[in-house]
Amino acid sequence: GAVVSQHPSRVICKSGTSVKIECRSLDFQATTMFWYRQFPKQSLMLMATSNEGSKATYEQGVEKDKFLINHASLTLSTLTVTSAHPEDSSFYICSASDLTGNGNQPQHFGDGTRLSIL
Amino acid sequence: AQSVSQHNHHVILSEAASLELGCNYSYGGTVNLFWYVQYPGQHLQLLLKYFSGDPLVKGIKGFEAEFIKSKFSFNLRKPSVQWSDTAEYFCAVMLDDKIIFGKGTRLHILP
Repeated sequence: GAVVSQHPSRVICKSGTSVKIECRSLDFQATTMFWYRQFPKQSLMLMATSNEGSKATYEQGVEKDKFLINHASLTLSTLTVTSAHPEDSSFYICSASDLTGNGNQPQHFGDGTRLSIL
Repeated sequence: AQSVSQHNHHVILSEAASLELGCNYSYGGTVNLFWYVQYPGQHLQLLLKYFSGDPLVKGIKGFEAEFIKSKFSFNLRKPSVQWSDTAEYFCAVMLDDKIIFGKGTRLHILP
């Protein structure tokens, strides 16, 4: 069964709306979660690294005020796309692992969220 | 349902050995295929990708992969591995509206 749950799987909304995407680890504690974005015909692009209890680390070129990340608990990280515009339409996917152990914990991926801004 | 299968969960090799990691997918339509690598504590990095054209794709760090449509496979190869290749490797298939990852293969290279 799925060990990382990402919700919602698909969102269609109007321009200017803020959209929250959740990423939950179901049977382990995820100290680190990664948020990626994928444009058509391209590979995944890392947006940010989310660490529980601290501020997310954003990649160069990713607006932290636009893409708000909150990793408030060991099982939940959220990505909020604020005031979304059509250019924010994309496929967003999270991954999670427990890195507090010996570093050999597997990485698990959510099923992704297809965001479409009209 | 569409799926991606990576046959080996954990592979241990000595340096200079040849590597082949299997990846099969179940989808009859047009697919875009990727191999990603994740080093401990880091995010995914793209090794190579296939969208169309030559089914033998060359990527970074000496990796290559061959798309065999009849076998629904996209196996990753490297003729001679190095200790620094120790990492987890993910095969991924991009469909029209989503990307599906395999469960990953953890590669451990003995020095």
